[in-house]
Amino acid sequence: ETGVTQTPRHLVMGMTNKKSLKCEQHLGHNAMYWYKQSAKKPLELMFVYNFKEQTENNSVPSRFSPECPNSSHLFLHLHTLQPEDSALYLCASSQDPTGTQYFGPGTRLLVL
Amino acid sequence: DQQVKQNSPSLSVQEGRISILNCDYTNSMFDYFLWYKKYPAEGPTFLISISSIKDKNEDGRFTVFLNKSAKHLSLHIVPSQPGDSAVYFCAASGRNSGGSNYKLTFGKGTLLTVNP
Repeated sequence: ETGVTQTPRHLVMGMTNKKSLKCEQHLGHNAMYWYKQSAKKPLELMFVYNFKEQTENNSVPSRFSPECPNSSHLFLHLHTLQPEDSALYLCASSQDPTGTQYFGPGTRLLVL
Repeated sequence: DQQVKQNSPSLSVQEGRISILNCDYTNSMFDYFLWYKKYPAEGPTFLISISSIKDKNEDGRFTVFLNKSAKHLSLHIVPSQPGDSAVYFCAASGRNSGGSNYKLTFGKGTLLTVNP
């Protein structure tokens, strides 16, 4: 497996559910990112991790909870989401926070 | 307020001709610019980048031009091929206030369609 992988690729959840998105990078990078892409909007940075430490939280609601157990894995835990949270969630990684970012295929999330 | 703007949501070009995708930015602290390409159901793929110390970077059929005084960059694809049909995102980065991270700020994207 190479590059950046994300699972699941599609997710439908109710507003009371708890689910997690997983991202794994096989590039030996040290920085990982979560982005959100809503319809007709630019990609929005949510979180940045560098060497497992969170270095950026872009005013994301607490119903989104990231976890980075090591430099290769990044999770986004979801609970009590709203329908407006339906979007494409993209994970990316880079060698360091100044490096070119490489993206995974994304998880298409639908909150009912 | 959008700091990176791609004012053309779509562009249609004939195969073999030149495609020119434009991007404007407002933040003078941006010092690195990137273009990403995105196919449906896939994540963005890095295409080409340029540092603010340069005004041109070329990679095969792709050339990015940077005009710092106008805060404008463009991506030229020549010759265009049907496989180039995708959404193209412009992105810019610069040191955020008080920190050492470089945040990527994206435009909304331009859908390029290359007709055979």
